[in-house]
Amino acid sequence: KAGVTQTPRYLIKTRGQQVTLSCSPISGHRSVSWYQQTPGQGLQFLFEYFSETQRNKGNFPGRFSGRQFSNSRSEMNVSTLELGDSALYLCASRDGGTANTEAFFGQGTRLTVV
Amino acid sequence: AQSVTQPDIHITVSEGASLELRCNYSYGATPYLFWYVQSPGQGLQLLLKYFSGDTLVQGIKGFEAEFKRSQSSFNLRKPSVHWSDAAEYFCAVGLYNFNKFYFGSGTKLNVKP
Repeated sequence: KAGVTQTPRYLIKTRGQQVTLSCSPISGHRSVSWYQQTPGQGLQFLFEYFSETQRNKGNFPGRFSGRQFSNSRSEMNVSTLELGDSALYLCASRDGGTANTEAFFGQGTRLTVV
Repeated sequence: AQSVTQPDIHITVSEGASLELRCNYSYGATPYLFWYVQSPGQGLQLLLKYFSGDTLVQGIKGFEAEFKRSQSSFNLRKPSVHWSDAAEYFCAVGLYNFNKFYFGSGTKLNVKP
């Protein structure tokens, strides 16, 4: 079974641009969550999608958005990039999406905003 | 508010020494509990999990964790640390009635030769 795949692995963008990150979950998993990881703030929850619907949302500005497709693949978009958006963005997939199921993580996308 | 606390930001132990990483949660009921490990630049890997039953849980790589309801804790332990255990460790809780998943702030483990 293939793991969680995040693309691209590395990305450099300029302030003010927008970016789209992609996450392909493990086959059969319907829940996809996104996290932002920075040295100062640690691992912060962005949002979770389950069966194409956003089910949970963290405390991030509206510049951060996402969606999930019918094949469970998910994209995350950040508009009007700021320097502070530089981070490792991690995607996690879960089977069924209930709280007692293990989250499997991708290797992340390292976003650098210059 | 629900929270997960890992009070130790950094821990350094000598290779071969024992290890205990602390995790406390704040929630009205027993949540589902997890420990994850992250190597530099990588995603998170599950070490072990607790849902119910025996409060001492065995995981991969020789790790174990003990759930203590009275202390709202789920501390991670390893009897003898190896240099390859140097990484960041995250405690997480899953809240069944809210179907949410929270991570602690992480503990960075450094292993001295």
